Amino acid sequence: DAMVIQNPRYQVTQFGKPVTLSCSQTLNHNVMYWYQQKSSQAPKLLFHYYDKDFNNEADTPDNFQSRRPNTSFCFLDIRSPGLGDAAMYLCATSSLGDTQYFGPGTRLTVL
Amino acid sequence: GIQVEQSPPDLILQEGANSTLRCNFSDSVNNLQWFHQNPWGQLINLFYIPSGTKQNGRLSATTVATERYSLLYISSSQTTDSGVYFCAVYTGGFKTIFGAGTRLFVKA
Repeated sequence: DAMVIQNPRYQVTQFGKPVTLSCSQTLNHNVMYWYQQKSSQAPKLLFHYYDKDFNNEADTPDNFQSRRPNTSFCFLDIRSPGLGDAAMYLCATSSLGDTQYFGPGTRLTVL
Repeated sequence: GIQVEQSPPDLILQEGANSTLRCNFSDSVNNLQWFHQNPWGQLINLFYIPSGTKQNGRLSATTVATERYSLLYISSSQTTDSGVYFCAVYTGGFKTIFGAGTRLFVKA
């Protein structure tokens, strides 16, 4: 089945230790999104790629970066995780202007 | 920026009951989507509904874009319907804004 896959499902890192989260898709969508969702809150858009064009939301901290080496894969890099970065990270994909499909998420714990 | 408000914030139902969830938005939007977030955190698409009415089994949704609201109807609720229901609106330039959600608990 076509789907959005995120790895790992659970990630534990230490304060300040860089971490990379992975997202892949088999839907061949040209748009990929990364969201941060903290406990009991709504998902918040961090950035998106439209093909190779990257768009950062204005309030996304510089600590968060992203890479999209090809259509299928997108990575979220957190350069120096702080305790406040502990959250669920959700990847989504869509065709331009169409329904967004979400992966299962990666739950990040920062010790 | 655009504001998205969902009501009620919390809802407890007896299994078999019906309910209506509401999503109000403060400005024109390109599209609107309803999601169910299950207890494991997965966001499941329910409806992509910029306007009009759609139905899928026990669920249906109506968006009245001119009046800036959308409704999600759940009929004959089941315990598996428990979770958080989000509406998300899409404005220009891929901007996606989620409402705060309605937390639903269905009792057996």
